[in-house]
Amino acid sequence: QQQVKQSPQSLIVQKGGISIINCAYENTAFDYFPWYQQFPGKGPALLIAIRPDVSEKKEGRFTISFNKSAKQFSLHIMDSQPGDSATYFCAASIPPGTASKLTFGTGTRLQVTL
Amino acid sequence: ETGVTQSPTHLIKTRGQQVTLRCSSQSGHNTVSWYQQALGQGPQFIFQYYREEENGRGNFPPRFSGLQFPNYSSELNVNALELDDSALYLCASSLSTNSPLHFGNGTRLTVT
Repeated sequence: QQQVKQSPQSLIVQKGGISIINCAYENTAFDYFPWYQQFPGKGPALLIAIRPDVSEKKEGRFTISFNKSAKQFSLHIMDSQPGDSATYFCAASIPPGTASKLTFGTGTRLQVTL
Repeated sequence: ETGVTQSPTHLIKTRGQQVTLRCSSQSGHNTVSWYQQALGQGPQFIFQYYREEENGRGNFPPRFSGLQFPNYSSELNVNALELDDSALYLCASSLSTNSPLHFGNGTRLTVT
């Protein structure tokens, strides 16, 4: 019940296109859903996060869509750029210590081509 | 502002040995969390330290232990190393136990 399932495993998108990564969870106690971006040789960095009281959150070109009834959430990257090429991880956590004790998905390797 | 720094960056150990990994937290952060990231996988929560006390632990055996010091830096110790312990070990600090994580670049441990 602690798992977060992420898909696809890898994704190739043309420059300017929309990248979409999906995650699903079972544990309804999860109340914090962040997305992290990781470049090779670096640690993950927080991109954007959402709590289940909202259905969408947008920050620049990055949007999280959240469907509480389906227990799914997704990351949309608009106008994808070659610099967005990285591995993306969804994560979730339950209180207390919500933002710091995370269960991560298995990652999606995004490649944005010219 | 200095971010999270980890040392060493790479380490090779033999099965059965012990290893200590070190982490300096970001300035002003009192909480340190450790994660293990196997190749091609997402990070897995090992444990968290808050004000020098363990504040939660993931599904890792007792041979994984840690310390947090008064300056909020931290150590991860692993005894009786196994081949499956080969992974990237990530340290992350946060302003509090309920604040977002700021990760270091990790220590790559190889057990032969």
